[in-house]
Amino acid sequence: SQTIHQWPATLVQPVGSPLSLECTVEGTSNPNLYWYRQAAGRGLQLLFYSVGIGQISSEVPQNLSASRPQDRQFILSSKKLLLSDSGFYLCAWSVQYNSPLHFGNGTRLTVT
Amino acid sequence: EDQVTQSPEALRLQEGESSSLNCSYTVSGLRGLFWYRQDPGKGPEFLFTLYSAGEEKEKERLKATLTKKESFLHITAPKPEDSATYLCAVHSGSGNTGKLIFGQGTTLQVKP
Repeated sequence: SQTIHQWPATLVQPVGSPLSLECTVEGTSNPNLYWYRQAAGRGLQLLFYSVGIGQISSEVPQNLSASRPQDRQFILSSKKLLLSDSGFYLCAWSVQYNSPLHFGNGTRLTVT
Repeated sequence: EDQVTQSPEALRLQEGESSSLNCSYTVSGLRGLFWYRQDPGKGPEFLFTLYSAGEEKEKERLKATLTKKESFLHITAPKPEDSATYLCAVHSGSGNTGKLIFGQGTTLQVKP
């Protein structure tokens, strides 16, 4: 069966510090991969998606970036965090474009 | 603009009191409607996919239905463990990206 791992679960970082969140998927090949952010009391906002290694599409202009160095690895990064980057970050995968997304358990990021 | 609206924002039920959650959508071309359950501090858990008007899916006390403009999640004789936030999302338009548009969610509390 397929599983998705996301870490760390919680993170507190000062403003201006770098960020690296990692997500890996097991049990499937060539998945579509996604990064979402969920702010308190708000819906899920798509940040990045990837349909293959090295292929990244950005949905929202910001100081975050994403990379997919391996088929089942997706990384969310920032060189300098802002207070507004605080939130709940979720990684997800799907088999194909119109199949359900399956989410990891998220990373709670607090920028202080 | 594609849009998904869920109502009510919050719902309190007594154990055994059946009710329905609503998800209204305006999209250019529906390619799938998804229901998720999200527990506090966790990632959304996939429940159902509906692809065409008239389609219904059931799982335990939950039943999802779909029309051309909205979807309902019916909860029959709910139990306290059904307490969670229920999210609706739609996949629309062209392309193969699998991007979902999420509603804001309905937070359900079931009291014993």
